[in-house]
Amino acid sequence: AQSVTQPDIHITVSEGASLELRCNYSYGATPYLFWYVQSPGQGLQLLLKYFSGDTLVQGIKGFEAEFKRSQSSFNLRKPSVHWSDAAEYFCAVGADSWGKLQFGAGTQVVVTP
Amino acid sequence: SQTIHQWPATLVQPVGSPLSLECTVEGTSNPNLYWYRQAAGRGLQLLFYSVGIGQISSEVPQNLSASRPQDRQFILSSKKLLLSDSGFYLCAWRGAHEQYFGPGTRLTVT
Repeated sequence: AQSVTQPDIHITVSEGASLELRCNYSYGATPYLFWYVQSPGQGLQLLLKYFSGDTLVQGIKGFEAEFKRSQSSFNLRKPSVHWSDAAEYFCAVGADSWGKLQFGAGTQVVVTP
Repeated sequence: SQTIHQWPATLVQPVGSPLSLECTVEGTSNPNLYWYRQAAGRGLQLLFYSVGIGQISSEVPQNLSASRPQDRQFILSSKKLLLSDSGFYLCAWRGAHEQYFGPGTRLTVT
């Protein structure tokens, strides 16, 4: 069965420290891969996307993600987090012609001073 | 540029009352549109999607229905709300392969 797994439900990180959020997927072929961010009470904002090509993808707000086919992973990273990065982060994959996305359960990021 | 609107932003409705949530998209034509629900402490659940006017596909059997009366309008409805319908409802449109989300509607059923 197709699935998207975000192993970390909750991560606490100090401001200025690096952040890595994990995402693993199980699909028959390489799907389209996305990371979204959601602040409380808001909609989801697209951080970055991977369709093909260079496996290191740059996004908005200083985020990047790396696609590793051998590990079926698409981990999100940021070298130095800011207090404004506190939010919930969702990994998503898409693999059908209708454009439907399957989302992971999300990772809540808390940033401490 | 494209924008997506959802109305209302918040809604408190009693059990058994009807529901109508509206989503409109500007700056694009004939987009694929999607309704999601996000229950408290849970991820996103795809409820409906539409590839064109009058074309609705349901992902999960439930108390809700959707309609697409115009190219850029997507409506989520219910005849009688249940307590379990409470949640945060998000509408999205499809770009190349990614989706862009509206601001959401917070529905509380009392």
